[in-house]
Amino acid sequence: EMNVVESGGRVVKPGESLTLSCKGSGFTFDDYMMNWVRKTPEKGLEWVASISSGHIQIHFAPSVKGRFSIYRDDGQNSVFLQMRSLRGDDTAIYYCVRVRSSGGSRYYMDVWGPGTTVTVS
Amino acid sequence: DIQLTQSPPFLSASVGDTITITCQTNFHISNYLNWYHVKPGKAPRLLIYDAFHVEEGVSSRFGGSESGTHFTLTITSLQPEDTGTYYCQEYDNVAHLTFGAGTKVDVK
Repeated sequence: EMNVVESGGRVVKPGESLTLSCKGSGFTFDDYMMNWVRKTPEKGLEWVASISSGHIQIHFAPSVKGRFSIYRDDGQNSVFLQMRSLRGDDTAIYYCVRVRSSGGSRYYMDVWGPGTTVTVS
Repeated sequence: DIQLTQSPPFLSASVGDTITITCQTNFHISNYLNWYHVKPGKAPRLLIYDAFHVEEGVSSRFGGSESGTHFTLTITSLQPEDTGTYYCQEYDNVAHLTFGAGTKVDVK
């Protein structure tokens, strides 16, 4: 069975840093782009960051660019989200998500983790 | 940037009903649009990809369509487990993706 599981969420103070981890299993991890997506009651779902297979492309949402980093360790089937200068509006459930392509520039997110909660307060 | 206008924001319907949720884009994006369902306390689940392809394992009661910049998610024979929030999502390009604001569905 294919799945991903996040860890590392906790309560932090504004301005602090935190790194989230995600471990995949049941699929060839290094073949896939991986995303982080977060959910809040106010904004719903919000894409945060992406890292392609082979680390070729890395992208961030404007709201986190310059504060967050993403990297992967394919040997450990893992992807990480390093968050710095955390703010109250970063409070959310963070999901690690596998990205599948149906060809060309068509992408969709098909395997979601259960999420890990980050509270900045 | 691509903007997604999702409607209605809230919908209440009865078991057995057919409901429709729409997502309007401000640019033509071909069929680069997906739909997800978020049940309370659960992770999102992919329902429809590329506008009308039903993800493996998803009930055939779910269907998607596209007409220009107008996308539709239709759920037939509504069931209690269909409660939750539905989101459309597009990939402008691999560098950026956008979700709609969501449609909260309450099944009575």
